[in-house]
Amino acid sequence: AAGVIQSPRHLIKEKRETATLKCYPIPRHDTVYWYQQGPGQDPQFLISFYEKMQSDKGSIPDRFSAQQFSDYHSELNMSSLELGDSALYFCASSLTSAAYNEQFFGPGTRLTVL
Amino acid sequence: AQKVTQAQTEISVVEKEDVTLDCVYETRDTTYYLFWYKQPPSGELVFLIRRNSFDEQNEISGRYSWNFQKSTSSFNFTITASQVVDSAVYFCALSEGNTDKLIFGTGTRLQVFP
Repeated sequence: AAGVIQSPRHLIKEKRETATLKCYPIPRHDTVYWYQQGPGQDPQFLISFYEKMQSDKGSIPDRFSAQQFSDYHSELNMSSLELGDSALYFCASSLTSAAYNEQFFGPGTRLTVL
Repeated sequence: AQKVTQAQTEISVVEKEDVTLDCVYETRDTTYYLFWYKQPPSGELVFLIRRNSFDEQNEISGRYSWNFQKSTSSFNFTITASQVVDSAVYFCALSEGNTDKLIFGTGTRLQVFP
């Protein structure tokens, strides 16, 4: 079965650079979520989209922005990168925006900021 | 406010032992959903189970079983006859009825030794 695809899988950036993470949800899933997992920590919700509209927002820095496109893929744009942004970034998708739906996670993008 | 507590940071067992991972949650909503996810060393997050607040029936799936008790706000996870492949970090998570973002606990690292 098709899973959530994230690219790139690994990314190394310098401080103050920008990064773009991409997420391709499972076919027919219209809801996408982004989570950030720091080293040894639990995943923290950043932002979600349902039918190309932002549906919820968590602890996402102002330096980050995201959007969902007409084909339902999503991109997380990160600017002025800081050392503390080094983390594993997960994208998840679900069949629709509802609390009861299980979220299927991608393999993650490991971002390292030097 | 919603919160998930996994008091056990790390558990070590020998293969074939039974092990229970504890999860205690806090929420003011009467409608909510509880989840367990597994994160093996490879890093991906694997969905294990979802339970809604109106269904306190315990569930068994192979060597895995879950005990949901609203009276104690707990949703514990038991692995029977543990195997080395069960070694992973296990996260308990909560979503409330009015939002679909997941609130994760801090995770329990399970190490199963041969």
